[in-house]
Amino acid sequence: QKEVEQDPGPLSVPEGAIVSLNCTYSNSAFQYFMWYRQYSRKGPELLMYTYSSGNKEDGRFTAQVDKSSKYISLFIRDSQPSDSATYLCAMSFVNQAGTALIFGKGTTLSVSS
Amino acid sequence: KAGVTQTPRYLIKTRGQQVTLSCSPISGHRSVSWYQQTPGQGLQFLFEYFSETQRNKGNFPGRFSGRQFSNSRSEMNVSTLELGDSALYLCASSGGFVAEAFFGQGTRLTVV
Repeated sequence: QKEVEQDPGPLSVPEGAIVSLNCTYSNSAFQYFMWYRQYSRKGPELLMYTYSSGNKEDGRFTAQVDKSSKYISLFIRDSQPSDSATYLCAMSFVNQAGTALIFGKGTTLSVSS
Repeated sequence: KAGVTQTPRYLIKTRGQQVTLSCSPISGHRSVSWYQQTPGQGLQFLFEYFSETQRNKGNFPGRFSGRQFSNSRSEMNVSTLELGDSALYLCASSGGFVAEAFFGQGTRLTVV
């Protein structure tokens, strides 16, 4: 079992839809949870991060962490064609020794106008 | 503020050769991490350098190595290239906060 599981999709939605992207993980020691967006032929772009459990909102994006279920989500409201990309979840420990991130394989999202 | 710069963007090498990739982090960032991205395995951590010292290492063979210079720029070297080393190699820089790692555009390496 991989440490981080993410459904690769593809996920296709019409413009304006609410999108839900999810990851599950197995290591309860993870404390930081990140979401990255990656356009084709580009590097991943950090969208937002959450520490421990709870919700965090940034514009049309909301990140949720449920540590009891080892489940994290990213919600995109009023989705736009420009949101079409691969979304990667990433996790890390509170580690004094470094910043290694463990990634899911990514979910490909397509938003049609 | 300039972002993370990786050079070159594309490389084609022959099996058995070696290759060196370069990464210039965001100004002021002292941590540089390297990742390999392939369709089958996704993004996998290679190693991290902080203040010229390797601080973390992933589960890759010794053919993969790196170093960091006093100006925080980093290089990654792969020796005796194999076909399976074909991938997008990404560099990320961080100011020290684990959750804020910023990636470059990557170097697309093709081994033929």
